[in-house]
Amino acid sequence: RKEVEQDPGPFNVPEGATVAFNCTYSNSASQSFFWYRQDCRKEPKLLMSVYSSGNEDGRFTAQLNRASQYISLLIRDSKLSDSATYLCVVVTSGTYKYIFGTGTRLKVLA
Amino acid sequence: GAVVSQHPSWVICKSGTSVKIECRSLDFQATTMFWYRQFPKQSLMLMATSNEGSKATYEQGVEKDKFLINHASLTLSTLTVTSAHPEDSSFYICSARLAVRTDTQYFGPGTRLTVL
Repeated sequence: RKEVEQDPGPFNVPEGATVAFNCTYSNSASQSFFWYRQDCRKEPKLLMSVYSSGNEDGRFTAQLNRASQYISLLIRDSKLSDSATYLCVVVTSGTYKYIFGTGTRLKVLA
Repeated sequence: GAVVSQHPSWVICKSGTSVKIECRSLDFQATTMFWYRQFPKQSLMLMATSNEGSKATYEQGVEKDKFLINHASLTLSTLTVTSAHPEDSSFYICSARLAVRTDTQYFGPGTRLTVL
């Protein structure tokens, strides 16, 4: 089993739709969680950190469920510019090393 | 703030040659830098962790004699791909950790290496 798993997609959604991605992780000692966005042939850019209490940044909401070992990302009112690959990142306690999921491709259609 | 640069952004070389990639933190000091590799349609895979002034720590399966890492200062780490072969063609990305007690990494723009 992979350490961090994501549905690769692609998710094709119309503009204005709400879309949600999940990411599961296998190591219960994981301490930090992030969502990154990667555009084609570019580097990953930090979208948001994920906190235990859940957090929101504009149209984006991230949730963490430690008991079930998954994190989620919700995007409301999708824009064409949201089209990208969304990477889930998990950091194991004491290592500072990022473990990336395979990424979920999102395509927002006009 | 927290800008990381990489040079070159792309490079094409002949098989058997060596290629050096530089990673710089422009507006902060990075005690730890990381090197990743990303093949097409795959995610980023950590190759090594680079700490300033000490030897890099390589992930399992990454040959340290092939991928030489030097972290001579708090703002510069270099990755040298020695005797490159076509299977080394990939997108190489570095990142830097901003401060001691944080997990957040900031990524450079990547270097696309093509070995002919």
